[in-house]
Amino acid sequence: SQQGEEDPQALSIQEGENATMNCSYKTSINNLQWYRQNSGRGLVHLILIRSNEREKHSGRLRVTLDTSKKSSSLLITASRAADTASYFCATDGARGGNTGKLIFGQGTTLQVKP
Amino acid sequence: GAGVSQSPSNKVTEKGKDVELRCDPISGHTALYWYRQSLGQGLEFLIYFQGNSAPDKSGLPSDRFSAERTGGSVSTLTIQRTQQEDSAVYLCASSYIGTQYFGPGTRLLVL
Repeated sequence: SQQGEEDPQALSIQEGENATMNCSYKTSINNLQWYRQNSGRGLVHLILIRSNEREKHSGRLRVTLDTSKKSSSLLITASRAADTASYFCATDGARGGNTGKLIFGQGTTLQVKP
Repeated sequence: GAGVSQSPSNKVTEKGKDVELRCDPISGHTALYWYRQSLGQGLEFLIYFQGNSAPDKSGLPSDRFSAERTGGSVSTLTIQRTQQEDSAVYLCASSYIGTQYFGPGTRLLVL
């Protein structure tokens, strides 16, 4: 079963604009990860944020995590046409150092128009 | 080094036939995972191998599905007596600690 929901389900913006995607989850987590998927094939890992972190940056990506609200957001700044893809959040509630199974959200489909 | 590889890239089979999907994880990664993504659906966990521990099979949808991991490296996912609802992209991932790295997937179509 899915861990939670992502919103919006679909997002269409102009190149240069910022895109914000939100993810909610249900259970306690060790970490939360964001992935990108192009054309329904392999997922590309974007960023991992641990449960004791509140914000993390990687290039044009900014991820926040609010464990009290069980939610996370992914912000892509200065979007490019190449950012067009589906974006998924995934949570890992396993104990210990290695990750267990990931529980994925339903994903947000982002279209960036040139 | 090389990423996670999967074969075949695409597989078309007839209902009732058995199929085997292969995953080669990143060298040195102790954990290996299988997920399934059906058309219009999210990603669904199937099975997880961690070192020499017993695998977590909690996500396998039926006893027609099985997987093994030989020598702590390559893994094979087997689907017996395939059904049309088995049509999906099957994704493999491996990890050492933290991030799971995904392969390109095998797109399975059951006619």
